[in-house]
Amino acid sequence: SQQGEEDPQALSIQEGENATMNCSYKTSINNLQWYRQNSGRGLVHLILIRSNEREKHSGRLRVTLDTSKKSSSLLITASRAADTASYFCATDGDTGGFKTIFGAGTRLFVKA
Amino acid sequence: DVKVTQSSRYLVKRTGEKVFLECVQDMDHENMFWYRQDPGLGLRLIYFSYDVKMKEKGDIPEGYSVSREKKERFSLILESASTNQTSMYLCASSLVKLGLTEAFFGQGTRLTVV
Repeated sequence: SQQGEEDPQALSIQEGENATMNCSYKTSINNLQWYRQNSGRGLVHLILIRSNEREKHSGRLRVTLDTSKKSSSLLITASRAADTASYFCATDGDTGGFKTIFGAGTRLFVKA
Repeated sequence: DVKVTQSSRYLVKRTGEKVFLECVQDMDHENMFWYRQDPGLGLRLIYFSYDVKMKEKGDIPEGYSVSREKKERFSLILESASTNQTSMYLCASSLVKLGLTEAFFGQGTRLTVV
């Protein structure tokens, strides 16, 4: 079964709006990561948050982590058409970092 | 920059053929992974390797095998390709350091089995 489950499965917004995606996971983790995938391409790492962190920022990205609820959220502020992509959360589960386990992803469409 | 290179972007093979998918990384990473990606299912781990000649089964290893003879190269083998192995295959590598496990991906191989 998948470790990460993203919500919503798909999201359509206007350029300039904020986009929020959520991820829930099942086991204890050392860290949680978010990746982006443009259509038909490999995944690109966006941001990593450790289990002892609650919030992290990188440019227009803001990630929160709530280990008590086993959930994380990714906020993209002031979205652009170029942000159109699929977004995946991934965790190392309880494998000590030897496995990276992905969810099914959220498909984000930003309309110009 | 880390580079992970997969040998083919697109591949068409016949049912029953033995198929090799090659992946090479240039950053001396210990860990390498093979995933397959299907619509609505995210990335599912087929096999991974944390050292030369070491391999571990992922969540869906059936019908696949792997080879890691050199640190930089990780091959995925479909022993006898079947139509249900038509998918996007993604290779990744990572350096496990102090629990930081950022993975770097290749561009993917879209395999069609006819």
